[in-house]
Amino acid sequence: DAGITQSPRHKVTETGTPVTLRCHQTENHRYMYWYRQDPGHGLRLIHYSYGVKDTDKGEVSDGYSVSRSKTEDFLLTLESATSSQTSVYFCAISESLAGGDNEQFFGPGTRLTVL
Amino acid sequence: RKEVEQDPGPFNVPEGATVAFNCTYSNSASQSFFWYRQDCRKEPKLLMSVYSSGNEDGRFTAQLNRASQYISLLIRDSKLSDSATYLCAVNGFAGKSTFGDGTTLTVKP
Repeated sequence: DAGITQSPRHKVTETGTPVTLRCHQTENHRYMYWYRQDPGHGLRLIHYSYGVKDTDKGEVSDGYSVSRSKTEDFLLTLESATSSQTSVYFCAISESLAGGDNEQFFGPGTRLTVL
Repeated sequence: RKEVEQDPGPFNVPEGATVAFNCTYSNSASQSFFWYRQDCRKEPKLLMSVYSSGNEDGRFTAQLNRASQYISLLIRDSKLSDSATYLCAVNGFAGKSTFGDGTTLTVKP
């Protein structure tokens, strides 16, 4: 299995509080991604990174920010959590861009509940 | 219309059955294609890549039809352990994947 960990694995927080989720990889892959998964919506991309300090928005980026100061760490921050951000969050990594088998490897997920 | 669409199912089949899933995509510039398997409350894991020439891995066969913009997954001789949700993924720029919502398969004794 690819070396990807996420922390925390479970979190319950209150509306309005800031929350930071961490993704850590030991594979030295260039690309990292944050997704959320909700019933009826599948996996939706929040933000992604194509290198240290290089990030871009995905399809559901409102209310989220990210940072990547090291190759191995990709942080997702909810500045002021809302109940609509209750979800399962997956981090993923990918090695290459151009064609071929640039499949993604996923972390175990973080279950976030915002009360 | 979603960029990637799958029949959500559920598909309920007996052991030994053959089952097929389809996934359609709207972006003709899509570069690579995959099937992932996701068990309940677990992360998605790559099942297989999908190539234009079609590819097979044991009981699993994946095919790509670029002209009609769909990919398919065929599972032969279904096992109880095949019960899971199957996600198709279509990659574009920066290796970003767009996922279908998944098709749930339950294989029954």
